Amino acid sequence: NAGVTQTPKFRVLKTGQSMTLLCAQDMNHEYMYWYRQDPGMGLRLIHYSVGEGTTAKGEVPDGYNVSRLKKQNFLLGLESAAPSQTSVYFCASISSPQGYSNQPQHFGDGTRLSIL
Amino acid sequence: SQQGEEDPQALSIQEGENATMNCSYKTSINNLQWYRQNSGRGLVHLILIRSNEREKHSGRLRVTLDTSKKSSSLLITASRAADTASYFCATTSGGGADGLTFGKGTHLIIQP
Repeated sequence: NAGVTQTPKFRVLKTGQSMTLLCAQDMNHEYMYWYRQDPGMGLRLIHYSVGEGTTAKGEVPDGYNVSRLKKQNFLLGLESAAPSQTSVYFCASISSPQGYSNQPQHFGDGTRLSIL
Repeated sequence: SQQGEEDPQALSIQEGENATMNCSYKTSINNLQWYRQNSGRGLVHLILIRSNEREKHSGRLRVTLDTSKKSSSLLITASRAADTASYFCATTSGGGADGLTFGKGTHLIIQP
């Protein structure tokens, strides 16, 4: 099993451009999350999904949109990229909803995004 | 906002020594987790301690939790060069579905 796979791994954008980051998990996990990590900081939650067709805002949702059309995929979109969105983006998932609060999250290796 | 604050921000020790990192948090929690991040990689889960537990062991790792002080510590015994990484504490609260709240991390360097 690949676990949590993020594509692309690196991307450079110009201000105002749009793009979509893809997160795919093959573990049949119900819950999925998008975080961003800035230098010297821990991860901050952008958006999350508790199941196919559902999304919710996290701590820093502005400037991002998400979609969960299929259970295994969670997409993060930047409609008009800004330099402040330069960051490393991580996707994570949790297995069964039952007992989810006491289960670890599984992380992808991240997407490094630079906005010029 | 960041829930946890790790202390120290950076730690450099000799191989074979023990490493201790501390984490403080602000609100009530369901559980506290520790993750490791190697340079350029994603986070790897190390250990989870529930709010009703006080101590937990996993191999060379020992985690303590003091909910009255809203603090936790991670001890890595007999450190190895491969332990060089950043270590983050993270908490869940409420129902836990709404993600983890992370601290800023401790960067650990093990000198050979």
